[in-house]
Parts: sequence; structure tokens; C-alpha cells
Amino acid sequence: NAGVTQTPKFRVLKTGQSMTLLCAQDMNHEYMYWYRQDPGMGLRLIHYSVGEGTTAKGEVPDGYNVSRLKKQNFLLGLESAAPSQTSVYFCASSRGQGGNQPQHFGDGTRLSIL
Amino acid sequence: DQQVKQNSPSLSVQEGRISILNCDYTNSMFDYFLWYKKYPAEGPTFLISISSIKDKNEDGRFTVFLNKSAKHLSLHIVPSQPGDSAVYFCAAKRNTGTASKLTFGTGTRLQVTL
Repeated sequence: NAGVTQTPKFRVLKTGQSMTLLCAQDMNHEYMYWYRQDPGMGLRLIHYSVGEGTTAKGEVPDGYNVSRLKKQNFLLGLESAAPSQTSVYFCASSRGQGGNQPQHFGDGTRLSIL
Repeated sequence: DQQVKQNSPSLSVQEGRISILNCDYTNSMFDYFLWYKKYPAEGPTFLISISSIKDKNEDGRFTVFLNKSAKHLSLHIVPSQPGDSAVYFCAAKRNTGTASKLTFGTGTRLQVTL
């Protein structure tokens, strides 16, 4: 039961470098999300997708881009990493939008920007 | 502006006793409330939810109570078990037209002692 898989689990970057975080889900879910979690704060939505080929901005989208070329994959890109983007990143997916269709989360990617 | 608040960062309860985790919100447009449980180095796991039109939902040892007039919800765990030790996040859902979005609280760390 893979569920939601995030790659990589850990990464250290230098300021200005770029990278892509990969999220894959095997539940055939329509909706996918990227969150970041920082100390003392709840999870904050970065970007989300309501279906293949669609993306939309969340609460904190600046400095990030996303793509959903395939239904099962949702990529999060950092074009020019900044120390403020040091965080734990969580990907999630859901079948629908109802409250009885909760989001399922991956185990996170811990990203440090030096 | 923090729309979902968990004012207790931590809670310690003896095994077998009741654990009560609290959550307050400010936005009347939330239509569903969810509780997630998170272990270290793992992603959040959905626990239980409640619609805004109900005041109670029960699932085994877990019960969520909603007081709309006070904009307050609570999660009761009875009896508490050592495996319940984790961080619990309260989340509120709001439909925005294009997609529903979750707003998370900052979490409460529950420690169940022997």
C-alpha cells in the first residue's frame, strides 16, 4: 500500500540552486496538494491541483512552481532556493473535496537551504 | 490572521484516562472540521471529521464535538493509550468555488504516560 510517495526524503541545497520535489500517488485521486510545515506553524498550502493538467495557487505560492502532467504525479519546483524555503514539505491527495473525502499525506521531504 | 487555533502546544495524560484536545476557529464559512494525527518523520494521518451541521461524531475511542456558537471543537480520546502519543492537528475546510482548502492549526503534542 504505497499511497502517497515523496522523493527525496532529505535534501540540502545552496542558496540559488534549483530542485524539483516529486509526489506520486497510486490511489487515482483527482486532487493533489503541496504544503509546507514550519516550526510553531500549521501546514500551509503552497499550490494545489484539481485534476491532470491543472494547477492553482494556495496560501504561500511565491518562489514555487508546480506541474501536473500526469494524474498520479505532482511536482513542486524551486527555481532559485532561498534560506526562507527551509522547511518540511508535504504532498497530499484526495478523491474529492468533501469533508468525508480526507486528504492523504506523504511522509514529507525535509529541505535545508544554506 | 490565524483562523484555526490550538492554544495548547502540549498535553500529558495517563494511560487509561481521557485526553481532550481543543481547537478554536474564527471563520464561519468553514463547513467541515478534521483531526489529523502525526508521528515523527511521518505525514499526517486522517483521524476523524465532523460536518458543521452536526455537533458530535464518534469513531471507536475517538469522539469529536463541535460547538458552533462558540466556534470551538474538541477531540476526546477514551481510553488513552501509549500509541496515541503524537501531534494532533485540527483542520477546517472551506469551499472556495474551485476547490476546497484546509486550514490547519499549529498542533498539540499529546504524551500518554504509563
